[in-house]
This record gives sequence, structure tokens and C-alpha cells, in this order.
Amino acid sequence: DTEVTQTPKHLVMGMTNKKSLKCEQHMGHRAMYWYKQKAKKPPELMFVYSYEKLSINESVPSRFSPECPNSSLLNLHLHALQPEDSALYLCASSQGEADTQYFGPGTRLTVL
Amino acid sequence: QKEVEQNSGPLSVPEGAIASLNCTYSDRVSQSFFWYRQYSGKSPELIMSIYSNGDKEDGRFTAQLNKASQYVSLLIRDSQPSDSATYLCAVSINAGGTSYGKLTFGQGTILTVHP
Repeated sequence: DTEVTQTPKHLVMGMTNKKSLKCEQHMGHRAMYWYKQKAKKPPELMFVYSYEKLSINESVPSRFSPECPNSSLLNLHLHALQPEDSALYLCASSQGEADTQYFGPGTRLTVL
Repeated sequence: QKEVEQNSGPLSVPEGAIASLNCTYSDRVSQSFFWYRQYSGKSPELIMSIYSNGDKEDGRFTAQLNKASQYVSLLIRDSQPSDSATYLCAVSINAGGTSYGKLTFGQGTILTVHP
């Protein structure tokens, strides 16, 4: 089973809202990732968690705040986003940091 | 120079033909190579992973890796209209350092298989 789940599937928020994206995997993977993907572009890495610790932050603005409550869950807290942050947000997980990454279905975010 | 480059496409092939997708990478310490398929509006789906020089076959898909020439390719035999998608080449570095665990993607190649 290589399933990564993400909720919600779609999210519309205003620039003053606070919302959270959730990601869950039950494959026993120790690394989890957040990516952002704009239309017709490849995924861009945002954050990497390894063994529940943040190991990579790709200079992401502080209005995006990741959290890894346990080895199966990954959250992305959103606050004061801009319209240009509208994108598909993808979560992925892998056994270890250099192993095959499996992607969730994504959350389509629209910031008004 | 981009770290991972793919043939720009779009690539159009008739049903039943072989589709050939190519990818070159610049970092010689790259050790893991992946092909993902992405349908419009969906998330990337793993097609193949390859780590050693040579060919790796899985059904209609064959990945080829040549580390000396720094390229990796994906062949799709007996192409079907359902293969129409964007194919993403991704490369990662297994050694330590700041890039450990980071997947670098190419820009993707759009494949259209027409009946």
C-alpha cells in the first residue's frame, strides 16, 4: 500500500484567513515532504521532515508553517497568504530521505 | 545550466508506437532516478525508479540509465491514449550534504498518444 492522503481536496481562503492542510501516511515512512506546484511547472520542494524533525526548509516565507505532530502526520499551517500562493500543494512520503517518494492527491488552494 | 533537463516536447506518437522520453542531469553525484507520470489536475504517480546503469523493465515501460553520459530515458512500448500525460524526470542525491533527500525535477514532457 503506497497511499498518502491529503485533506481538504480543495480550499478557498481569503488573505486574512488561517487554514491548515493535512497529510497522512500509514506506510511507516520516516520522511515526509511538502511541495508546491503551479500550473505547467514541476513540483517545487518546500519542506522536508525526517524522523519528525525539520531537515530542509527551502527558504519558504513564514506565512507557511509546517508541523509534524507524529511520524504519520504532516500539517501545513497557512496564514496571511497572497493570491500568488494559489497552487496545488502536494504531500509526499518516503522510507528514508533518499528513497522513492510517493505523492498524495494534493490540495488545490485558491487565495482570493 | 538547468540541473535536470528533459526534451521539451510536446511529444506526439500514434497508438501502438514507442514513445521515447529523455532526461539529462548535471550533478555527477546523483544516484537515484525516477520517472513520474502526471495527468492534468492530478498528482505525480511513480512509474519507474532506477539506480544502476543499464535497463530496467516493468511491463510496457523501460527505463535506461547511463551515468557516464548523465542521462536517463523512459521508453513506453505499445503506447496507448491513456498514456497521454506529462512525464517528469526526477533526480536525487544519496550522499550527505544539504541536497540529501531533495528531489530535483525536470520541466516535464507532455506526451500525447493519438488513436
